[in-house]
Amino acid sequence: AQTVTQSQPEMSVQEAETVTLSCTYDTSENNYYLFWYKQPPSRQMILVIRQEAYKQQNATENRFSVNFQKAAKSFSLKISDSQLGDTAMYFCAFMKFGSSNTGKLIFGQGTTLQVKP
Amino acid sequence: DTEVAQTPKHLVMGMTNKKSLKCEQHMGHRAMYWYKQKAKKPPELMFVYSYEKLSINESVPSRFSPECPNSSLLNLHLHALQPEDSALYLCASSQDWAGPEAFFGQGTRLTVV
Repeated sequence: AQTVTQSQPEMSVQEAETVTLSCTYDTSENNYYLFWYKQPPSRQMILVIRQEAYKQQNATENRFSVNFQKAAKSFSLKISDSQLGDTAMYFCAFMKFGSSNTGKLIFGQGTTLQVKP
Repeated sequence: DTEVAQTPKHLVMGMTNKKSLKCEQHMGHRAMYWYKQKAKKPPELMFVYSYEKLSINESVPSRFSPECPNSSLLNLHLHALQPEDSALYLCASSQDWAGPEAFFGQGTRLTVV
């Protein structure tokens, strides 16, 4: 069974500064995706960034980047130049792919991030 | 159109009521999902439909009954719910069961009284 662990229930950062959210996971699968989703107070889950396990290069989307350490099963999210609109709950998620894939996302417990002006 | 539209946004129902939640997408996605989310918790998968057929039921009580009338529409029929079923119900879709990205709707906030 796969598990996803986010060890930081709450974090805060000053506007314009950089923050890193941690995520570790456990799996025996070799082929999988990792995601960071953002859920603001509006409730909608929004995909922030995706990483394929077979890719060594860390994914980047504008101010968001990941540090993917496959051997350590670690997948942290770095937010640069934090903005007030980044205030949200952030979920790390795992999905296996391949013949045994079901499309099921396994989520961590979430980290509530507050960006302060 | 990259939207997953859910209606209603809020629903209050009594334990003897029957109601339905609706989810619609027009992205041509062939996999659709229902998740349940309690406050400050991660979403938990309930059902997966792949190519309009139920492929996963995560041991959900029978008072929740999913339906996929066509490739764009997903319903969740509710009957004889309990107060502990009060939660945010999220619908999602992806290109197919292989994903990878799941697009989520804004959810229906359900309160059972």
